[in-house]
Formats: sequence, C-alpha cells, structure tokens
Amino acid sequence: DTAVSQTPKYLVTQMGNDKSIKCEQNLGHDTMYWYKQDSKKFLKIMFSYNNKELIINETVPNRFSPKSPDKAHLNLHINSLELGDSAVYFCASSHLGKSYNSPLHFGNGTRLTVT
Amino acid sequence: ELKVEQNPLFLSMQEGKNYTIYCNYSTTSDRLYWYRQDPGKSLESLFVLLSNGAVKQEGRLMASLDTKARLSTLHITAAVHDLSATYFCAVDEASGTYKYIFGTGTRLKVLA
Repeated sequence: DTAVSQTPKYLVTQMGNDKSIKCEQNLGHDTMYWYKQDSKKFLKIMFSYNNKELIINETVPNRFSPKSPDKAHLNLHINSLELGDSAVYFCASSHLGKSYNSPLHFGNGTRLTVT
Repeated sequence: ELKVEQNPLFLSMQEGKNYTIYCNYSTTSDRLYWYRQDPGKSLESLFVLLSNGAVKQEGRLMASLDTKARLSTLHITAAVHDLSATYFCAVDEASGTYKYIFGTGTRLKVLA
C-alpha cells in the first residue's frame, strides 16, 4: 500500500565505503526526485528523473550517482562515503506538467550515518 | 537562482493563540506548496497554491499566496498541541524543470 517506499530506513557505514539506497513508487507518477535533509532540517534537491531521463542534476559531488531503471524506481549510489554525507535522504515523486499541479509525495527517508 | 526564506525559523506558542508563518521567494514562480514534517518522519503535503490571491483552509491552518509580493502565509488559528511540527513552503522554480526549492522550515512548538 505504501506509495513511495525507500530502503533501507537506516544505514550506518564507515568512511570510504560504497552504499546504495533504493526507492520505488506505485502512484503512477512520471517524475522522481532525491532530496538531502541535513541536521538543520534544510532540504536540498539533488536529482530528478522524468520517465527515466535525468532532468535535474544539482551541484552534487560525482560520488553520488542516481539510476532510474524505469519510471517507478530511482536508486542512489554513493561511492567513497564521507562524514559530510551523513543526512536523511528523501525520495519523492510527482506528475510533471502544469495540468497536474501535484505536490511531491515523499518516502519515509533513509537516515545515513557515516562514521 | 531562486531563494526561499521562511520566518520565523522557530516558533513557540501557547495553545489557543493565533500566529502566522511567512514564506518569501526571490523570483517569479507558478506554484507554491506547504508541507508538514513531524520529528523523524516524512513530509506530508498540506496545501497547493496555484494563483495570485489563492487561499486554502484545512482545519486550523489557512494558507494564502500573493504572487506580486512573492509571499505566502500560513496562518494558525487557536493552536493545539497536535500542530507541533516543522512546516516548509516549497516553490516551483518556473524554469520548466519542476525544480521545487524548499524554504528553511519553521519549527513550531505548541505548549499546552
């Protein structure tokens, strides 16, 4: 029943490791996003895919690589993790286009802690 | 580059009181959204405001949009403890990429 689901919910890892976060939505939306929320609760957009095509690619270290195998899935792979990567990562989805005007639907977040 | 600012950042208020949260944005935008986030939880959509003068109300919360002033307000009427949360506004950058830029958030605490 979950509309936007992310796994894992918690991720604790050491510096230098590589990790992935997965996201799936069953809302039939055509656009998916990754947002990073830091310890001060600031939300920063990272990437967005529309129908498997990358449409937003913010200034993010190239250690972060998103992949969208289809419009219902968006994964985030992070190489060589650093302490500053610790944050909560949210996946979100929506319909693109003014005729929809739909808000973002968020997943429950993945809390990444790098030690 | 679009900037979205909210004030106040922190708000502590007594139950039963009224207060307004402000959201200012720096460039022309088509749409503005309000979200609520409970501690440790996801973000939940509250309101979608699509045009100048738009007003939406749900329970004790009312949101409005003035696109000429580039300002949205979220008004809380007779606050109750259950409204304690962080509230975010988000603005569509209107660049055609549907890039939603979030405000700094307002952490609201309603004291019983």
